[in-house]
Formats: sequence, C-alpha cells, structure tokens
Amino acid sequence: DVKVTQSSRYLVKRTGEKVFLECVQDMDHENMFWYRQDPGLGLRLIYFSYDVKMKEKGDIPEGYSVSREKKERFSLILESASTNQTSMYLCAIYRGQGKGYTFGSGTRLTVV
Amino acid sequence: DQQVKQNSPSLSVQEGRISILNCDYTNSMFDYFLWYKKYPAEGPTFLISISSIKDKNEDGRFTVFLNKSAKHLSLHIVPSQPGDSAVYFCAACGGSTLGRLYFGRGTQLTVWP
Repeated sequence: DVKVTQSSRYLVKRTGEKVFLECVQDMDHENMFWYRQDPGLGLRLIYFSYDVKMKEKGDIPEGYSVSREKKERFSLILESASTNQTSMYLCAIYRGQGKGYTFGSGTRLTVV
Repeated sequence: DQQVKQNSPSLSVQEGRISILNCDYTNSMFDYFLWYKKYPAEGPTFLISISSIKDKNEDGRFTVFLNKSAKHLSLHIVPSQPGDSAVYFCAACGGSTLGRLYFGRGTQLTVWP
C-alpha cells in the first residue's frame, strides 16, 4: 500500500526561525497536499501541488511557501515561524475519488 | 464559506448502541463523499466513501447514507465500540478540483462502556 512519510513527528521551533516540513511518498502520485489541523477548525488547506514545480494556494497560504522539485517530495516552508503557526501539519496524496487521500502521520509543530 | 459542515462537534454513545454522525454540504457539483477517522497524534485514515449515484454504501459496521435532495449524508456505526472513539471528518470532492477534498470541522465521537 502507498506510504506517505513526514520527516518529523514533533518539532519545537523559536519565533522567527525558518522551518522546513518534509513529505515523501513512495508511489507516483501527482497530487500532493499540505493541511493544518486545529481543534474546532478542522482541516484547512495550505497549499497543494499537481505536478513537479507546480503549486496552488489553498485557503490559508499566508506565512507559508512550498517546494516540489521531485515528484515524490513536497516540502512546506514556514518563512518566519510565529506562535499562531503552532499546529498539527498533515501531508496527503490523492488516490482517486473512491479512496480520497492517504495522509502522513502528521507533524506536531510548536513555535515558542 | 464552508462547503461541508458538521454541526455537531461532539457525540457520546454507549458501547453496543448505534452512532450516527451527520454532515451537510452546499456544493451540488460534489460527486463523491468520504469519511475519515482520526486518533490524536496520528494522520486521518480513510473509512468509507460513497458516490453521488448511490444512496447507501456499507462496509462491516459502517454504513454511509446519502440524501442528495437534502444535501446531507450520515455515517452509522453499529454496534459502537470503545475503539471507535476518535474524531470523524466528512469530506467531499467533485468537478475540476485537482483532487482537492473539502472537509468538515469534525465530530468527536466518544463511546463509553
């Protein structure tokens, strides 16, 4: 079965730091997504990509950027981390309508 | 504006009884609906889906019902078990969305013994 790997389960960063969150898939799926999950707010889409070097803004892109240099890897970048970016970050790949997404295990980021 | 809504943030059910989780949507272009289950500190996992051409889909203890005219779907879990305690997200997709899913805010299900 397809595997989505997020590089870190837990991260603690300082305000103002540049933060990189990595996501790697082991299949050839084109569409990859970054979400954040916050209690009471559900899953909110930050950015997504449908091909190498292609990216689309989601609903809350401010303060974030992404990079997709290779098909299997999709990186989320926090340019200058702030405390309101403390959250659970989830990477996902799209597997088709009937199956939807396969998610990674998530990265719990705390910005202090 | 939320296109997928879960109006109940929490639900508490006794073990062995039925759990019914509800979801409403506004976009008539959605043609596939999915449910995900999420435990704390883990990514969501796919549970069950339904195409808009159907009104029911069943998988073991889980059944999803779709009422297109009301733009409403529900997930039934029978019988409920303590291990079902998790956050459940409803999601929808369709049209030219590049595979994007639209999620509700989730319902925390607690199944007590």
